Amino acid sequence: ETGVTQTPRHLVMGMTNKKSLKCEQHLGHNAMYWYKQSAKKPLELMFVYSLEERVENNSVPSRFSPECPNSSHLFLHLHTLQPEDSALYLCASSQDLAGATLGKNIQYFGAGTRLSVL
Amino acid sequence: RKEVEQDPGPFNVPEGATVAFNCTYSNSASQSFFWYRQDCRKEPKLLMSVYSSGNEDGRFTAQLNRASQYISLLIRDSKLSDSATYLCVVNQNTGNQFYFGTGTSLTVIP
Repeated sequence: ETGVTQTPRHLVMGMTNKKSLKCEQHLGHNAMYWYKQSAKKPLELMFVYSLEERVENNSVPSRFSPECPNSSHLFLHLHTLQPEDSALYLCASSQDLAGATLGKNIQYFGAGTRLSVL
Repeated sequence: RKEVEQDPGPFNVPEGATVAFNCTYSNSASQSFFWYRQDCRKEPKLLMSVYSSGNEDGRFTAQLNRASQYISLLIRDSKLSDSATYLCVVNQNTGNQFYFGTGTSLTVIP
């Protein structure tokens, strides 16, 4: 148990559906991340939040909409997705951001949501 | 050029063998380096941070070569339970990004 919980673990949705992924961290960390992991590709950073403020948005299509209501919770709202969006979506948290002192920037990952878009 | 490059493998080694993975990174300003392990259909988990002087944790040794911009992971006395994908992760000293390699697949064979 890493202290980062993601729900749901599996999600199947049609292209016209709206759904949300939830991430909760119990580690008291300040930074939270959304990543996409597709087969044979490295993890792709989607969004970074620090103290509830979005600090990174890596050219992600607007059909993905993040929300960070507080430092412990992160959501990814999904709407009108495409089949190529099918992937494992991973949430992570770290005490501080990537450029922080080694040790304070270690990321802990949730188990992920495996998303299939039909 | 990719930020982080790893040999994807797969590496298939017998139990007890020693195996080494290398990873190269493109940004000379990178300051933090990690090896993560990812089991099939699971999340990545930190295996070890990589310190400038190199560091060891049991059967695992990580080294950093700043001049050549690569990090390595050495696994001695391989166990069946070491079978996984090993991810190289690098940050920049500015900005908020971590960069992940595609991972190196290891299978330890009985």
